[in-house]
Amino acid sequence: AQTVTQSQPEMSVQEAETVTLSCTYDTSESDYYLFWYKQPPSRQMILVIRQEAYKQQNATENRFSVNFQKAAKSFSLKISDSQLGDAAMYFCAYRTYGSGNTGKLIFGQGTTLQVKP
Amino acid sequence: DVKVTQSSRYLVKRTGEKVFLECVQDMDHENMFWYRQDPGLGLRLIYFSYDVKMKEKGDIPEGYSVSREKKERFSLILESASTNQTSMYLCASSGRRSTQYFGPGTRLTVL
Repeated sequence: AQTVTQSQPEMSVQEAETVTLSCTYDTSESDYYLFWYKQPPSRQMILVIRQEAYKQQNATENRFSVNFQKAAKSFSLKISDSQLGDAAMYFCAYRTYGSGNTGKLIFGQGTTLQVKP
Repeated sequence: DVKVTQSSRYLVKRTGEKVFLECVQDMDHENMFWYRQDPGLGLRLIYFSYDVKMKEKGDIPEGYSVSREKKERFSLILESASTNQTSMYLCASSGRRSTQYFGPGTRLTVL
């Protein structure tokens, strides 16, 4: 069975600085998706970034980028030029790719990011 | 934009009541999901549905049931609410190979 581990329950960063959130996963599959979701306090969970395992190029989305290391089963999220609005809980998630999959996500435990002004 | 809506943001019920949480998506997604989110426990999957009238148990189905009579609507039912079901409930939907999108959540308090 697949598992996702976020080893940092809490992180903090100074506004305008860069922070990296860690995520490791375990799977025997070769094709899969990885996601980072953001959940601001009392607000909706939204997708930050998505990576397909067959793509070697790391996904980027404005100030957000990932470091996808398939062999190491690592999927970290880098937030550059941190803003106060980045303060949230961040979840790493895994989804199988194969045919017949039901779209189930396997989530990590989450990392709460604090941004200091 | 994908829209997933949930019937209530906040709900207060009494022990023993039957509770319905409704979720509607507007993207013709095949898959729909109900999660429960508790501090320190992350998101836990209660039930999911991959087609109309089809459902599968997730990790914590006990005390819950679901209904999916139409593709766009997925209901979570607490047959007899208990205090340990006080939680945040999140609904989500996805296509066969697409990203999962979440609703705003329902914070349920059972007194």
